[in-house]
Amino acid sequence: AQSVSQHNHHVILSEAASLELGCNYSYGGTVNLFWYVQYPGQHLQLLLKYFSGDPLVKGIKGFEAEFIKSKFSFNLRKPSVQWSDTAEYFCAVTVNTGGFKTIFGAGTRLFVKA
Amino acid sequence: DTAVSQTPKYLVTQMGNDKSIKCEQNLGHDTMYWYKQDSKKFLKIMFSYNNKELIINETVPNRFSPKSPDKAHLNLHINSLELGDSAVYFCASRGQGNQPQHFGDGTRLSIL
Repeated sequence: AQSVSQHNHHVILSEAASLELGCNYSYGGTVNLFWYVQYPGQHLQLLLKYFSGDPLVKGIKGFEAEFIKSKFSFNLRKPSVQWSDTAEYFCAVTVNTGGFKTIFGAGTRLFVKA
Repeated sequence: DTAVSQTPKYLVTQMGNDKSIKCEQNLGHDTMYWYKQDSKKFLKIMFSYNNKELIINETVPNRFSPKSPDKAHLNLHINSLELGDSAVYFCASRGQGNQPQHFGDGTRLSIL
């Protein structure tokens, strides 16, 4: 069965530190990849997405993610985090198994200390 | 202007009651979802509808019944509420194919 793994459940960083959140998926076919962010008390919002082409995608608020097909990974990065980046981050994968299905990872809670 | 709207935003009720949560999207999307997010923020898909037809029904107690009167609406009715039903319920919609999902603001359900 398809699955998405996010390695870190909780991450604590100081402002200006660099961020990398891991995401791996298990599916051998074509995938579309997403990172969503959920700020405290809010709904999930799309950060960035990968469909095809350049495996390094840039999203909003200075985030980027790199698709490495050989590693089945789609890690999220930001060179310098801010206090306002404190949120829950979800990796998601959409696969086509006779219909489009999206699988979400368990989420990573990021806390940025001011 | 809200793309995916859910009502109510908060729902506090007693065990054993029956309640409904409504969801509407004005994006013209064909596919709508209900998710349950527990206290640990784990997001679990419950149902998915495409053009008013059920296409995914994960392992969910049959006390939960979705209803889609048209493709812009997907309501969730819950019978005989239990303590374990306390969570935030998110509605979402998706356009054609592999497009990202758009989420509503969530309904925080608390069972007393």
